Amino acid sequence: NAGVTQTPKFRVLKTGQSMTLLCAQDMNHEYMYWYRQDPGMGLRLIHYSVGEGTTAKGEVPDGYNVSRLKKQNFLLGLESAAPSQTSVYFCASRRGTSVLNEQFFGPGTRLTVL
Amino acid sequence: AQTVTQSQPEMSVQEAETVTLSCTYDTSESDYYLFWYKQPPSRQMILVIRQEAYKQQNATENRFSVNFQKAAKSFSLKISDSQLGDAAMYFCAYRSAPGGTSYGKLTFGQGTILTVHP
Repeated sequence: NAGVTQTPKFRVLKTGQSMTLLCAQDMNHEYMYWYRQDPGMGLRLIHYSVGEGTTAKGEVPDGYNVSRLKKQNFLLGLESAAPSQTSVYFCASRRGTSVLNEQFFGPGTRLTVL
Repeated sequence: AQTVTQSQPEMSVQEAETVTLSCTYDTSESDYYLFWYKQPPSRQMILVIRQEAYKQQNATENRFSVNFQKAAKSFSLKISDSQLGDAAMYFCAYRSAPGGTSYGKLTFGQGTILTVHP
């Protein structure tokens, strides 16, 4: 199993450009999450999904959109990138609601917006 | 909403010695879970240890143990016999119990950078 993978690993954008980050998991997990990591702030939840075709807002959703058309993929979109969106983005997935179900993280995507 | 606070931006320890990382949290819930994650320079998030709030016994995983004080809302991580490979950023995280609208979301602290000196 590859676990949770993220594409791309690095990206540089200019202000106003758009891009999509792809998260894929091969563990048949129901729940998927997108976090951003900024210095001194830990990881903050952007959006999450509790199943194919569903999405919901997290703590910091402004400026981002998501889609979960297939169970194994969770896409994070930036329609008009801003320098404030410079961050490291992590995707995570989790099997279900059991207390023992661990959240598995991808390797992260470092995004710089100039 | 729950909050998690790590008041130590950086800590250091000598190899083979013991270090304790602090974490406090705020919640009105009675049932929840607490975690410590390790993030080495590779950026990969690695689960170190987990504590269920309804369990009074502190969790232990090899050289890693926690001191869980529910009334004080404190959850510290003790690393014994520190090794060079323990050097990393450590995050404390909170998760609500299943049910409701939590959906397994994690709330993270700000992180503590641990340096291990040989």
